[in-house]
Amino acid sequence: AQSVTQLDSQVPVFEEAPVELRCNYSSSVSVYLFWYVQYPNQGLQLLLKYLSGSTLVKGINGFEAEFNKSQTSFHLRKPSVHISDTAEYFCAVSAVNNNAGNMLTFGGGTRLMVKP
Amino acid sequence: GAGVSQSPRYKVTKRGQDVTLRCDPISSHATLYWYQQALGQGPEFLTYFNYEAQPDKSGLPSDRFSAERPEGSISTLTIQRTEQRDSAMYRCASSLAGGGAYEQFFGPGTRLTVL
Repeated sequence: AQSVTQLDSQVPVFEEAPVELRCNYSSSVSVYLFWYVQYPNQGLQLLLKYLSGSTLVKGINGFEAEFNKSQTSFHLRKPSVHISDTAEYFCAVSAVNNNAGNMLTFGGGTRLMVKP
Repeated sequence: GAGVSQSPRYKVTKRGQDVTLRCDPISSHATLYWYQQALGQGPEFLTYFNYEAQPDKSGLPSDRFSAERPEGSISTLTIQRTEQRDSAMYRCASSLAGGGAYEQFFGPGTRLTVL
């Protein structure tokens, strides 16, 4: 089984400032890692994912995340945020296997609030 | 279709009533997932389908919850004898195949309120 912890439920930040949203996970097996964003009244949208290879992954809208296996972390970063980045962000993991289905285990979410 | 669609978007019902939620996945996608998201929390897995087969029901919270996907495309989630604790956002997602590396595409969700 897997679990995901997002340490901050809310992160207020001023426009053009850098931001880091923290994510830690626990798993007895290898995992893939994901960050999803949820804008108001919309579905979850994939920001980026780590499957293998380089531990620094880049996603849409200028976001990036770094996989740290020793610290079991996958923190999301953006060097300069915009008002339009205001949304809820979810970190998720799924087990590495070839099963016919592979559920995502989500963290509780972090609400990013960008202020002018 | 162009994306995953769900209907209704909002459903208000009285305790004890049955409700059925619908998910229309991306047409080429073999795998379909249902998640439940309580207010202020992340989505939690309920069940999934690979075409019409339903290999995993482990996340369904009680036998009042059931899902089907009879022709391997549209899926429905039915909650019988609804209770107030069933109030949540119900999210459907589909993916091209079932392996963990395949991206899951999410629909907009159905907000269920049980009075």
